[in-house]
Amino acid sequence: AQSVTQLDSQVPVFEEAPVELRCNYSSSVSVYLFWYVQYPNQGLQLLLKYLSGSTLVKGINGFEAEFNKSQTSFHLRKPSVHISDTAEYFCAARNNFGNEKLTFGTGTRLTIIP
Amino acid sequence: NAGVMQNPRHLVRRRGQEARLRCSPMKGHSHVYWYRQLPEEGLKFMVYLQKENIIDESGMPKERFSAEFPKEGPSILRIQQVVRGDSAAYFCASSPGKTYYEQYFGPGTRLTVT
Repeated sequence: AQSVTQLDSQVPVFEEAPVELRCNYSSSVSVYLFWYVQYPNQGLQLLLKYLSGSTLVKGINGFEAEFNKSQTSFHLRKPSVHISDTAEYFCAARNNFGNEKLTFGTGTRLTIIP
Repeated sequence: NAGVMQNPRHLVRRRGQEARLRCSPMKGHSHVYWYRQLPEEGLKFMVYLQKENIIDESGMPKERFSAEFPKEGPSILRIQQVVRGDSAAYFCASSPGKTYYEQYFGPGTRLTVT
């Protein structure tokens, strides 16, 4: 079984400032990790994923995330945010074998301040 | 290539009525997953289906909820005798198969029980 924790439920950031959204996971087996973005009244869109290999993963819209096994973290970062980044961001994990269901964190609402 | 389609997008039911939510996976995808998002919470896994088979229903409530994915046609999530606590957004995701890591999400059905 896994669990995913997103400690920050809301993060306000000024436009063009950097942002980091935190995600920690707990699992007894190796996991794959994902970040999804949800714009208002829409479904989830995949931003990036970590499967194996390089611990720094680059995704769409200028986002990147770093997998840290010792700290069981997968924090999402962007060096300069835009108004259009205002959305809900979800971290998710799944086993790297067998069961494919995703376990989600509770989400972080990113608000960009003009 | 059309994405995952869900309908209706919004559904209002009175307590005790039945709700039927439909999901058409992306073309070529044979795996379907249903998730529920309660207000102010992350997505919770409900059920994983392949054509004509339920693979994992560990997240489904034991009563009133059922799901199917017939050989032809969309996947259906059925909720009988709805209660106010069933009010949520229900998301469907699809993937091409077991070795594929990403799940592609639909826009969701927002169920309101009055």
